[in-house]
Amino acid sequence: EAGVAQSPRYKIIEKRQSVAFWCNPISGHATLYWYQQILGQGPKLLIQFQNNGVVDDSQLPKDRFSAERLKGVDSTLKIQPAKLEDSAVYLCASSYPRVAGHQETQYFGPGTRLLVL
Amino acid sequence: GEDVEQSLFLSVREGDSSVINCTYTDSSSTYLYWYKQEPGAGLQLLTYIFSNMDMKQDQRLTVLLNKKDKHLSLRIADTQTGDSAIYFCAERSDYKLSFGAGTTVTVRA
Repeated sequence: EAGVAQSPRYKIIEKRQSVAFWCNPISGHATLYWYQQILGQGPKLLIQFQNNGVVDDSQLPKDRFSAERLKGVDSTLKIQPAKLEDSAVYLCASSYPRVAGHQETQYFGPGTRLLVL
Repeated sequence: GEDVEQSLFLSVREGDSSVINCTYTDSSSTYLYWYKQEPGAGLQLLTYIFSNMDMKQDQRLTVLLNKKDKHLSLRIADTQTGDSAIYFCAERSDYKLSFGAGTTVTVRA
């Protein structure tokens, strides 16, 4: 089974520029997550999709970050304009459709490493 | 995350047991997880435990959960050099995962 795919793997940009990351979840996974992992910290959830609808974007800095999952499969995360503090690894994860009360494993992609200069 | 705390570093000799500890604050957590992250890679799920269990064993891995004290531990038996990585504890409540900052495990010969 193919895992979660992400691209690019690395990106270096200057502050105030724009950047976009792409994620292709595991086939059949309805739920997709974007996390931000700052160096030395654990991943922090930015946004969660169920199919093409947003379930939770309470931690997404909406003044500069946006994400979409138009057809309920691939997703893109955009930062516009980027700040120095956005330097981090951006992880995408996916999981099977939720069943209330049941364990749900999130499978992670390799991440995109962003450096903002 | 601030609701999940772990010690930052652990050094262990090859062949010994490693014990990684974690504390969490959310009493409504339904599942607790251990993930492993190797350099340049994403997170790999190692094991998980349901909140009404107190122990789970899976080959070299043993998870202990003390729900009263909100304390979770991961024991790796016969630690190998391939076990060198960052280990993250995570709690799940309301379909959301909250991660600790990770424990860097270094295995020395």
